[in-house]
Order: sequence, then C-alpha cells, then structure tokens
Amino acid sequence: GQQVMQIPQYQHVQEGEDFTTYCNSSTTLSNIQWYKQRPGGHPVFLIQLVKSGEVKKQKRLTFQFGEAKKNSSLHITATQTTDVGTYFCAANQAGTALIFGKGTTLSVSS
Amino acid sequence: DTGVSQNPRHKITKRGQNVTFRCDPISEHNRLYWYRQTLGQGPEFLTYFQNEAQLEKSRLLSDRFSAERPKGSFSTLEIQRTEQGDSAMYLCATHPEGYTNYGYTFGSGTRLTVV
Repeated sequence: GQQVMQIPQYQHVQEGEDFTTYCNSSTTLSNIQWYKQRPGGHPVFLIQLVKSGEVKKQKRLTFQFGEAKKNSSLHITATQTTDVGTYFCAANQAGTALIFGKGTTLSVSS
Repeated sequence: DTGVSQNPRHKITKRGQNVTFRCDPISEHNRLYWYRQTLGQGPEFLTYFQNEAQLEKSRLLSDRFSAERPKGSFSTLEIQRTEQGDSAMYLCATHPEGYTNYGYTFGSGTRLTVV
C-alpha cells in the first residue's frame, strides 16, 4: 500500500533558526497534505499541494511538491516557540483515506 | 472547538471490556474517518464512511473493531474484548466530498487506556 516516509523524526532548533522536514514516497502521489499537531492536540490541516513542482507559502512556512510528485518539503524560516509541534505529511489515492507519515517533531528553545 | 465532537474525551477500561466511542461530524461533511494514534506515531487509518456507507476498512483492523454511521450523521466505533495494545488516542476526522484543496477536520479525540 501507499506509504510516506518523513525525515527527520526529531529536530531541535534555537529560536530564529530555520527548520525543514522532508516527505518521500516510492510511488507518484496525486496530492500531498501537511498537518501540524501541537503537543496534546489533534492534527490541524495546513495545506494541500497538487501540481508538480508546486510551491506555496504561508507566512514563514514554505511548502514544496517535487517535480516527480514523489516528495515534498516543509520549510520554516526563523522558527518561533509557537512552531513547536509535530508536522505530518499525508497522501491518498483518489477515493481513499489519507495515509499519514510518522511525523517530524520540532522543538524550539528560546 | 474544531466542529467535530468526540465523546468521551477519556476512557479507562479493564482488559476484556467493550468500549464505544462517538463522533459527531461537521454537518456539511459527508465523509467521516476513524484513525488511531499512539505516542510518537502518525494517525493510523482504521475506517471511513461516505454518508452511511462504510467504504474502506484497514486490512490491519482486528475484527474486534466495528464502526457504524447509521443515518449518515454521527458515527460510533466499538472495540470488543479490549486488549492493552488497544490503548491509544482514537481520532475522528471529517471532510466534505468534492471539495478539493480542503483538508480533514479532526476532533479532539478519545484517549483510551486499557488496564
């Protein structure tokens, strides 16, 4: 079945440093979604990427979908303590449920 | 409040007991999903409904698990003869069919502890 692999599993940064998490699949994805889960919370939808090579920005967050639609990345510029949490990528085939990666947990020290 | 309501928030049960969780979706969302999440893992898909029809069920799902969505509105997830390995956060998520570029809305989950 479809799987998405995320790296790294954990990342600790100093406030103000940048952060990137990567999501990879062995199969071509029709789309990819990113979610954020704060400690003790539930996953919250951030964005969906659909097109090959697509780049979308949300303030300090930049999301990218690879040209081959087999990988994606989330980059946070100048991290803040509010960025703490676990970031998941998720993908699905048409008509099926999302399959989530294991996530990258970001911790930020001030 | 996410708009997706799950009850109870916490459940502690003894091994071997049956438990039932409820999910009330956002009313316009006809797709409803159940996921399970353990510490340090991503949400693991269990099953999903489109209206009242159960369209997909994980092959990994034990037959002790059953879900219903009788009128296409709220859904229940029942676990029979609970085992310690069933301890997890059970998440419900909903989505409106046909809306591209729209993610899942998750509820706050039901945390199950089997002792």
